[in-house]
Amino acid sequence: QSVLTQPPSVSGAPGQRVSISCTGSRSNIGAGFDVHWYKQLPGTAPKLLIYANTERPSGVPDRFSGSKSGTSASLAITGLQAEDEAVYYCQSYDSSLTVFWVFGGGTKVTVL
Amino acid sequence: QVQLVQSGAEVKKPGSSVKVSCEASGGTFNDYGFSWLRQAPGQGLEWVGGIIPMFGTPTYAPKFQGRVTLTADESPTTVYMELSSLRSEDTAMYFCAREGGSGDSAYFDVWGRGTLVIVSS
Repeated sequence: QSVLTQPPSVSGAPGQRVSISCTGSRSNIGAGFDVHWYKQLPGTAPKLLIYANTERPSGVPDRFSGSKSGTSASLAITGLQAEDEAVYYCQSYDSSLTVFWVFGGGTKVTVL
Repeated sequence: QVQLVQSGAEVKKPGSSVKVSCEASGGTFNDYGFSWLRQAPGQGLEWVGGIIPMFGTPTYAPKFQGRVTLTADESPTTVYMELSSLRSEDTAMYFCAREGGSGDSAYFDVWGRGTLVIVSS
């Protein structure tokens, strides 16, 4: 069971907008710690997509955006494309001292 | 181009140990931290531990404390993860990753390709 909660799957048609939620608690997202997002294609390592809640690394299209409010964060993908089909993970810091870096369980995005 | 090159796949018996390496190249890594994460088949990501080669002091996820040892060399920058008392549940892809950002805002901005560790009798 992951510390951060994500929906198992979301789907959308090409060109549509999809959103992935990441729900935490007062010891991680709710405590003000940053949320980061990763994209993982099958058989490959995760790739950083969004860091510090809203920032995009160089080379990441502006179709990807992040937001955070309270104990939750969201990743939005606009203008959905076939190459966006992947599993997306959120990550944050947890102050409960049981573990430092925590992840969501991952959300599979399917392009219909 | 910054790269993390990991050692090859391992097949181990239950109760044995495995040591995986990760060499960084294509940049300077003086004060960067490096973490090890793992992903069991069909599962999500799990942080194992991290180390800053310049300082050498590792931190471990409590779940792995006592079974994992992280070490590092500075030149070339290479980090190692040794996991002992292996059991079938340790079968997973093990990734090393560079820590970007700082402190509790850290994220993983460069990843190795992963090392598959299979634990089987």
